[in-house]
Amino acid sequence: QQQVKQSPQSLIVQKGGISIINCAYENTAFDYFPWYQQFPGKGPALLIAIRPDVSEKKEGRFTISFNKSAKQFSLHIMDSQPGDSATYFCAASVPRWGYQKVTFGIGTKLQVIP
Amino acid sequence: SQTIHQWPATLVQPVGSPLSLECTVEGTSNPNLYWYRQAAGRGLQLLFYSVGIGQISSEVPQNLSASRPQDRQFILSSKKLLLSDSGFYLCAWSVLGEANSNQPQHFGDGTRLSIL
Repeated sequence: QQQVKQSPQSLIVQKGGISIINCAYENTAFDYFPWYQQFPGKGPALLIAIRPDVSEKKEGRFTISFNKSAKQFSLHIMDSQPGDSATYFCAASVPRWGYQKVTFGIGTKLQVIP
Repeated sequence: SQTIHQWPATLVQPVGSPLSLECTVEGTSNPNLYWYRQAAGRGLQLLFYSVGIGQISSEVPQNLSASRPQDRQFILSSKKLLLSDSGFYLCAWSVLGEANSNQPQHFGDGTRLSIL
């Protein structure tokens, strides 16, 4: 059962544009929603994260919008740059018996063209 | 600051050979440790997690095993590799926040395993 649905799977955006990646979840027990950025040959790196008591979180050009009632959250990358070209994963986490059970989306490959 | 190391970065092994991938974490004590496998177009699949030395839990039945001989060392092993074991293996660590709240997982740079 895919508990975190991510779309689109690939995205092409022109430099300076806004990149938007959407995720939807089913399990209302999730209480932490991180986004990861992964470059080829590297491990995913934490980009930004949000908890469900907040509707929006902004860090530089990256913003998470969170809609608890709709069980949806999205990543917005403002003024997208070629250096942002990477694969982005949304995730949802729930604490379970002393560890974090994290469910990842399938990933979105973003290409920012000059 | 905390760092995580995985090695080797790439590995080519014949079918039926053994496997040992190592992960070590520095700069933190008693971390939770995780092994994931990443397949193209399928996201990250949790294979094993550990909340302490000698404590290993498996998420999915498979040909692999894990061990945690020291607090900050996590090893992924196999006695006999299958073609289907090919993939990108990632180690991660996290700590529990206050009141058991979630904290982010931090990943190593992975091992690309190819089985021939």
